[in-house]
Amino acid sequence: QKEVEQDPGPLSVPEGAIVSLNCTYSNSAFQYFMWYRQYSRKGPELLMYTYSSGNKEDGRFTAQVDKSSKYISLFIRDSQPSDSATYLCAMKVTGGGNKLTFGTGTQLKVEL
Amino acid sequence: DAGITQSPRHKVTETGTPVTLRCHQTENHRYMYWYRQDPGHGLRLIHYSYGVKDTDKGEVSDGYSVSRSKTEDFLLTLESATSSQTSVYFCAISSLDGEAFFGQGTRLTVV
Repeated sequence: QKEVEQDPGPLSVPEGAIVSLNCTYSNSAFQYFMWYRQYSRKGPELLMYTYSSGNKEDGRFTAQVDKSSKYISLFIRDSQPSDSATYLCAMKVTGGGNKLTFGTGTQLKVEL
Repeated sequence: DAGITQSPRHKVTETGTPVTLRCHQTENHRYMYWYRQDPGHGLRLIHYSYGVKDTDKGEVSDGYSVSRSKTEDFLLTLESATSSQTSVYFCAISSLDGEAFFGQGTRLTVV
């Protein structure tokens, strides 16, 4: 079993929809949680970076962390065709060389 | 792109040949990483460095070696390339407990 599980999709939604992307994990030592967006043939770019449990909002994006359930989510409001990409969750423990453990990514397509 | 340059961006090589990928940063970050990305596996850590001449293995290090002689450069070497090493390779950098930023990737094909 992988340390981080993520539904690979693909997920297809109409423009303007609210998108929910999720990851579950098994290592209770993870303290930092990230979401990356990756366009085709590009490198991952950091969207959200959170520490421990709680919510963080940045524009149309909201990240939620529930450490008791070992579950993290990324919500995208008013989704746009430009949001079409693969979304990767990642997490790490405190210290430990700053190494990230990634989910496999969810492919999202926002259609006009 | 957070001051990270990977070279080459694309490479086709033959089985059994050595290959070196280069990652160059202009951010003076302490940590540098090499990941590979494959369908169904996501990004997996190959090796990382926490300072000049300080490196350690990641999850999928077999068949790879690294070197870091300067803060700004981190080299990944495939001593004898195999078809299973066909992949997209990403370099990343971070400061201590900071966010990780990725390069644009190197697409390597071993034939």
